[in-house]
Amino acid sequence: AQTVTQSQPEMSVQEAETVTLSCTYDTSESDYYLFWYKQPPSRQMILVIRQEAYKQQNATENRFSVNFQKAAKSFSLKISDSQLGDAAMYFCASGGGSNYKLTFGKGTLLTVNP
Amino acid sequence: SAVISQKPSRDICQRGTSLTIQCQVDSQVTMMFWYRQQPGQSLTLIATANQGSEATYESGFVIDKFPISRPNLTFSTLTVSNMSPEDSSIYLCSVEGRDAYEQYFGPGTRLTVT
Repeated sequence: AQTVTQSQPEMSVQEAETVTLSCTYDTSESDYYLFWYKQPPSRQMILVIRQEAYKQQNATENRFSVNFQKAAKSFSLKISDSQLGDAAMYFCASGGGSNYKLTFGKGTLLTVNP
Repeated sequence: SAVISQKPSRDICQRGTSLTIQCQVDSQVTMMFWYRQQPGQSLTLIATANQGSEATYESGFVIDKFPISRPNLTFSTLTVSNMSPEDSSIYLCSVEGRDAYEQYFGPGTRLTVT
C-alpha cells in the first residue's frame, strides 16, 4: 500500500519569488515513481515533473525542480521565479507495483500574489 | 502527450437517474483510469479499465454503481447509476503516459446531483 501526505493545505508566494511545496510518502515497493501534478481552476490535471526512485539525481523541468530524499521519503517541489499562471492546486502522487495505479496526496493550494 | 476529451463537461442530474461519461483519447492506449474528485478533495481511483478485460475496481466502488465499458483502445465510458447528491463530484479519466506510471488526464466532468 502507498500513502502520500501533503502537510500544507495552502501556500502563497510573491510573483518572481521561490516557493517549496512539501510531500512525504510511504511505500512497500522497491521500484516506484513520484510525480507532481498541477490542477488550475480549469480543473485540467497537468503533469509538472516526475522522479524515478532509483535515480539519485533530482528531476528538473525549467522553473520546477524537486528535492528527492529517498531515506526520508520526502519529495518536495520547488518553483522558482513564480508566475501568476503557477497559481493552482498541486498534488503529489506516487506509483509502483504491478497495477500502475497512482496514489495522490490531498493537495496544496498555491496562491501567487502580484 | 495524448489529447483526451470527455463528454459531457458538466451536467446537473436528478436523484435516482444515471449518467454516462465518455472519454476519448487521440491515440491507442492499453490502460485507462477513472477517478472521482469530490469537492475540495483529492483524486480517488474508481477503477482501471484495460481493453479486452473487465474493469478492476478499487475498494469502496462496485460495478453495479459505476459500470465501465472499454470497447476499444481509444474509448471508455463510466456510468454513474442511481445517483444521489453524494455522487456530486468531478469525474476524471486518465490514460497511461509515455513513461512508467505516468498518466495524462482528461478535462473532467463536473456532475451535480439534485
